[in-house]
Amino acid sequence: GQNIDQPTEMTATEGAIVQINCTYQTSGFNGLFWYQQHAGEAPTFLSYNVLDGLEEKGRFSSFLSRSKGFSYLLLKELQMKDSASYLCAVILGGSGAGSYQLTFGKGTKLSVIP
Amino acid sequence: ETGVTQTPRHLVMGMTNKKSLKCEQHLGHNAMYWYKQSAKKPLELMFVYSLEERVENNSVPSRFSPECPNSSHLFLHLHTLQPEDSALYLCASSQAYPGGGLYNEQFFGPGTRLTVL
Repeated sequence: GQNIDQPTEMTATEGAIVQINCTYQTSGFNGLFWYQQHAGEAPTFLSYNVLDGLEEKGRFSSFLSRSKGFSYLLLKELQMKDSASYLCAVILGGSGAGSYQLTFGKGTKLSVIP
Repeated sequence: ETGVTQTPRHLVMGMTNKKSLKCEQHLGHNAMYWYKQSAKKPLELMFVYSLEERVENNSVPSRFSPECPNSSHLFLHLHTLQPEDSALYLCASSQAYPGGGLYNEQFFGPGTRLTVL
């Protein structure tokens, strides 16, 4: 299957830490992306994971466990501008229809409050 | 120059109209994509072009017709649309398809907000 699950909405306080989870049930997994999308704007790339472990990039980190079909995006020192939707997207690898397509989750709408 | 541009940004059309969406990428990429984004739904891949050839067509109704005249330009021709086709239409490009790994990193345009009356 290609189910990709993320919470629909989350709320967190400015300056805090928030973790956005993503679980997936795909065959032929070949990598996972996180994108940020502000309302009315294009999604923009945040991170890419293909091996297990944590990738850190400034205030944002992304974690992957392939055996558990699980990833999370960690946002530290939250700022008001971090209010956006966060999209988890999985690459299917291999041959045949759908090869190497990005399959997106529905996205998690994060609201940062003062 | 912005990486991926789309025109128009907003479009309102009747069900009997014919219109086209345009996408242009300035990144030297070889693959281009059309996505549909509806409220409370995940991004839905519609079409993929690699080196100007259509490589994927995800069961999209024939009232949507893509065209890729060269690797920098992608069009989506629209005719006799339905109100449920109202959505944000996003164009994206990537270095290669298929490519795996970061070759799949997709760069998105700002989208066209389409309303079908």
